[in-house]
Amino acid sequence: EAGVTQFPSHSVIEKGQTVTLRCDPISGHDNLYWYRRVMGKEIKFLLHFVKESKQDESGMPNNRFLAERTGGTYSTLKVQPAELEDSGVYFCASSPLQAGGEKLFFGSGTQLSVL
Amino acid sequence: GESVGLHLPTLSVQEGDNSIINCAYSNSASDYFIWYKQESGKGPQFIIDIRSNMDKRQGQRVTVLLNKTVKHLSLQIAATQPGDSAVYFCASKGGYQKVTFGTGTKLQVIP
Repeated sequence: EAGVTQFPSHSVIEKGQTVTLRCDPISGHDNLYWYRRVMGKEIKFLLHFVKESKQDESGMPNNRFLAERTGGTYSTLKVQPAELEDSGVYFCASSPLQAGGEKLFFGSGTQLSVL
Repeated sequence: GESVGLHLPTLSVQEGDNSIINCAYSNSASDYFIWYKQESGKGPQFIIDIRSNMDKRQGQRVTVLLNKTVKHLSLQIAATQPGDSAVYFCASKGGYQKVTFGTGTKLQVIP
């Protein structure tokens, strides 16, 4: 069974540009999460989808970040325009909706560098 | 709000010795706790979990201890091996709240 996949693995962009990150969760997992880790700090929650609906987006830093999950399958996270402080590793995780859904399965992350 | 912290950013352990990684949490409502291992270039991977109605749970070479009185969680790794080198994150969750992670402890195994 394929795990959570994220694309791209690395992205280097200049301040002011736009970047779109993609996450393909494990098939059948209705919960999809985005997290971010800035160097040396904690893994911070960004938002949570249940199927195609945003369940909790309290961690989104500002309106430069837009997450979508059309059709309830894969998700994209767009940063527009990117700022220097957006650099970090963006992780996507998924889990089933039923019991045991607290156990998150993570992708390998996208390393975003904003120059 | 919830915060989860780790006592040490880096832990160096001799191969074959036991490792103990500690974590403190602040939310009394947390009732589920997880340890994740993140190897270089990979995402966090689930190691072991424990619910608040337990104070100890054992897996293969790993043990998690939970002290709800002082809001403290620890991960013990027996006979630490080079493959255990990674960053370890504790995480907690309460009810329908999101999973909250700590800052991570880097475990370095000295051959």
